[in-house]
Amino acid sequence: DQQVKQNSPSLSVQEGRISILNCDYTNSMFDYFLWYKKYPAEGPTFLISISSIKDKNEDGRFTVFLNKSAKHLSLHIVPSQPGDSAVYFCAATLNDYKLSFGAGTTVTVRA
Amino acid sequence: DTAVSQTPKYLVTQMGNDKSIKCEQNLGHDTMYWYKQDSKKFLKIMFSYNNKELIINETVPNRFSPKSPDKAHLNLHINSLELGDSAVYFCASSTSVGGETQYFGPGTRLLVL
Repeated sequence: DQQVKQNSPSLSVQEGRISILNCDYTNSMFDYFLWYKKYPAEGPTFLISISSIKDKNEDGRFTVFLNKSAKHLSLHIVPSQPGDSAVYFCAATLNDYKLSFGAGTTVTVRA
Repeated sequence: DTAVSQTPKYLVTQMGNDKSIKCEQNLGHDTMYWYKQDSKKFLKIMFSYNNKELIINETVPNRFSPKSPDKAHLNLHINSLELGDSAVYFCASSTSVGGETQYFGPGTRLLVL
């Protein structure tokens, strides 16, 4: 039973525009959320995270928003660059070191 | 210098064989993990070790046996391989139990024929 869901398998965006990736979760006990980025034939790499006590965390071009009442988080990438083309995984944890991952969203940034 | 490394990167084998995948991390982390990415692309945790002790053992067939000779290594041995074992297996590590940021290896692509 998937507790973390990414309902959009793919996203295409023009270079320079905003990419918005969405993630929903079902377990209200999750207290930490992460986004990972994955290139083909490589392992996922950590991108940005947010604690459940916050509603926003920003790191350069990447911002994660958390809406606990809706059990929803999103990742904004502004501006999108060709190197951002990758698969993005949303993950959540109960702070017990067991990450639950979504299925991923493939982002393609068009020149 | 690779932080989390796995060998082999690709593994093609016949049903019924026994194989091992090795993982090493040079980050000085205490906790290591094995994940399986199935055909639907979900990453699911299989095992976790902290300082050589097993702390997570998800519902995984007992044909899968992790072994941690020291805290920098976590190997995965699979007996009697089945077709459904074909997947990408990722090793990861984190600073400690509850260390949320996990660092992943490049993955081992296992194909069972």
